Formats: sequence, C-alpha cells, structure tokens
Amino acid sequence: QVQLQESGPGLVKASETLSLTCTVSGYSISSGYFWGWIRQSPGKGLEWIGSMYHSGSTYHNPSLKSRVTISLDTSKNQVSLKLTSVTAADTAVYYCARDGGYCSTTACYLYYMDIWGKGTTVAVSS
Amino acid sequence: QSALTQPPSASGSPGQSVTISCTGTSSDVGGYNYVSWYQQYPGKAPKLIIFEVSTRSSGVPDRFSGSKSGNTASLTVSGLQAEDEADYYCSSFAGSNRVFGGGTKLTVL
Repeated sequence: QVQLQESGPGLVKASETLSLTCTVSGYSISSGYFWGWIRQSPGKGLEWIGSMYHSGSTYHNPSLKSRVTISLDTSKNQVSLKLTSVTAADTAVYYCARDGGYCSTTACYLYYMDIWGKGTTVAVSS
Repeated sequence: QSALTQPPSASGSPGQSVTISCTGTSSDVGGYNYVSWYQQYPGKAPKLIIFEVSTRSSGVPDRFSGSKSGNTASLTVSGLQAEDEADYYCSSFAGSNRVFGGGTKLTVL
C-alpha cells in the first residue's frame, strides 16, 4: 500500500524559503511516476505547484516557476519542495501526490494524481 | 495559465442526477484526454475519482461518470446520496503543466 506523508515547519517568515518533505512508503520513487506538489489556500481551490519525473524531468506551474525547486532523494525515498521568497499568499495546505504520467524522448505527459498525502499546513508570518 | 472554469455550486435531491461542467481550451481539456476529477471532503485530502476523461478509479461507485465534448468535460453523479456532498475539482494536462478548475461545491438537498 503506497502512502505519502508531508512534513516540515508549520510557520515560515515572509521573504524566507519554505521547505517541505514528502516521505513515500510502499513504492520506490525511482521506479516510476511523476511526484508532485499541490497547495490549497484557506477556503480556495487546488493549485498545482509542480511535478518531477523519476528520471529527473520537471514541470512547474508557470506562475511559481521562478521560486520553486522540486527534487527527489531516492536514498531516503523522499520528494522535496522548496519555495523561495514567500509571502502571505503562500499560506496554504501543501499536499504531495503520486502523479501518473509518462516521458518519451521528446515530450512528457501528466495523467492524474492517484495517491495523495494528508497535507501539511504552512502559514507565512510577517 | 488560466484555471479551468467550473460552476461554484451544484445541488440535487437524493436519487437525482447532477452534472458538473469543466470548461477549458483547446490547449488543455480539448487537446488531451487527460482530464481527471477529484472529490474532497472538508479538512481532507482530495481523492481521485475519474481519470482519462471517463475511467473510474478503483472502488468508485458507477454512479460517477465522466465525459468530454470539445473543450468541456463533465462529471455526472447519478442517484445522488448524502455522502456525495463534497467539493469536486477537475484537472487537465495542458501541454507542459497541469491546470485545475476552481472547484464545485455539491450539495445534496
């Protein structure tokens, strides 16, 4: 049974870097799939942040791309998210998810996010 | 990158059918058969219910069905039950990224 668990500080100061980790159990992240991050601001909808393929290809939300780094640590079976220069607008519940998709030699396709973590709440303080 | 357009709310009585629309463009919904739908209860993580336009995820009742016509995808819930009251989000591949709809709150009257 594949499970994902997000972890990280619940409070980050404005202008600093938000760092979160998603620990995956029941599946080796190096074996396949994209691994992604999604967030949900209070009372708002879902916003895709980005996804990284097991082989290294990465896609990001264009509106966040300049501030986002997603990485895989296969030795720890973890997916990491770093978001720089945070503001109050980055306050949200952050989810990690297994992201079905495929990369050929010329293009990548994102299919659907089939397994989600429970989410972790991050507040940005001024 | 614009979000997909969903009605903010939908409702129906138990036993009735309700359809939620998800409108995009030819660059996302209309261009790929990679539309998915997610159900979310308050305070919980989203759950995949439909993928690749019309395929139900494992364990999802056949009361849930998906379809697509042009740039608009739809989720239909037939035989509404109280437990179907939740928020529903559509999502689509968009060429080099993914977009979500704004979400629809489904109320069972």
